Amino acid sequence: NAGVTQTPKFQVLKTGQSMTLQCAQDMNHEYMSWYRQDPGMGLRLIHYSVGAGITDQGEVPNGYNVSRSTTEDFPLRLLSAAPSQTSVYFCASSYSARYEQYFGPGTRLTVT
Amino acid sequence: ILNVEQSPQSLHVQEGDSTNFTCSFPSSNFYALHWYRWETAKSPEALFVMTLNGDEKKKGRISATLNTKEGYSYLYIKGSQPEDSATYLCASWGLSGGYQKVTFGTGTKLQVIP
Repeated sequence: NAGVTQTPKFQVLKTGQSMTLQCAQDMNHEYMSWYRQDPGMGLRLIHYSVGAGITDQGEVPNGYNVSRSTTEDFPLRLLSAAPSQTSVYFCASSYSARYEQYFGPGTRLTVT
Repeated sequence: ILNVEQSPQSLHVQEGDSTNFTCSFPSSNFYALHWYRWETAKSPEALFVMTLNGDEKKKGRISATLNTKEGYSYLYIKGSQPEDSATYLCASWGLSGGYQKVTFGTGTKLQVIP
């Protein structure tokens, strides 16, 4: 049981490049979410999914796309990276809001 | 209260002291309240999930209470130890557009001095 996995752990992008952050879980959780962590701002919700095929925007969705074709995977796509997207990104999963979330190890992204 | 607010932002206590933190959240459309412990260079780990007004949860020396009518939760640590040093996050879940949606507070950073 690997829990929540994220790849890559670190990434450096140039402004304008695109990339996908991968997130997978093996706990059959319906709810998955992406957060970014910036100094002094805690965790901010980017996008979330309540099940395969269902996604919705969080607090800071601009510049990011998601899709959920399977229960296990929830990739986050940066369409055209900007320096403002430099952050640490966490993926999390849970059965629902009435259950604890399990977090992945995080991806540290730097956009130059 | 529109956002989730935590106080204090940071706290230094001596080993053995008891301490508590506050989380304030919107009371309308409330669904659940989570507490997480976040150590430096690690990922957040869940402490408690609370859903009912008046809920009280306990895990060892750490406990939490919930008041959904007035929109606040308290986290208590009894007899703080250096290993309790971490950032403590609360997360408020509400119903938005038929879905459960979460907002995290910015956390309370606790430093326990040996």
